[in-house]
Amino acid sequence: DTEVTQTPKHLVMGMTNKKSLKCEQHMGHRAMYWYKQKAKKPPELMFVYSYEKLSINESVPSRFSPECPNSSLLNLHLHALQPEDSALYLCASSHHWVKVQSSVGYTFGSGTRLTVV
Amino acid sequence: GQNIDQPTEMTATEGAIVQINCTYQTSGFNGLFWYQQHAGEAPTFLSYNVLDGLEEKGRFSSFLSRSKGYSYLLLKELQMKDSASYLCGLFTGANNLFFGTGTRLTVIP
Repeated sequence: DTEVTQTPKHLVMGMTNKKSLKCEQHMGHRAMYWYKQKAKKPPELMFVYSYEKLSINESVPSRFSPECPNSSLLNLHLHALQPEDSALYLCASSHHWVKVQSSVGYTFGSGTRLTVV
Repeated sequence: GQNIDQPTEMTATEGAIVQINCTYQTSGFNGLFWYQQHAGEAPTFLSYNVLDGLEEKGRFSSFLSRSKGYSYLLLKELQMKDSASYLCGLFTGANNLFFGTGTRLTVIP
């Protein structure tokens, strides 16, 4: 299995809703990431998990809450979002950084297209 | 911190060669990635450079000069399916991969 699977593919939620995005990989990668991508912009790094521990939080608002239950799963819990949070949310995984140099880099999922109304 | 610059848009003709440049400034460097992203799809890995020089993979080549903070992606024998965004990604180590602004390439007949 060489894929990163994200669900759902599309999500519409109200500003008072609570929802979760899910990401799964079975490549044995021990680093997993959440990126946010607005239309016609590059992906922006939000969170990094390394060995199931949050190692980087790029000053993301607390209405986004990541969770890494095990080495294969990554969740992003959403609460009280704003319309400007509408974007494509990409999950990625990779080997731990010391091994990235000998691998094919990061593997990205197809993303969840989120619309906040 | 880091700063990564790429041209926003480029247009090239089918069958031609196009070079997409990327310049960067960073406090930490552990390599440079190039990714291709078609509209609405996931980025896909093209190349990784950590040492100076040219890496060739079929129709795609990537070059790196660490002293100049400069990389380019060279696409040969352009095909219509090469129309996509090309993302220059700076790997600063410790699992940090930051992307430049991206270059939208349009291939015309």
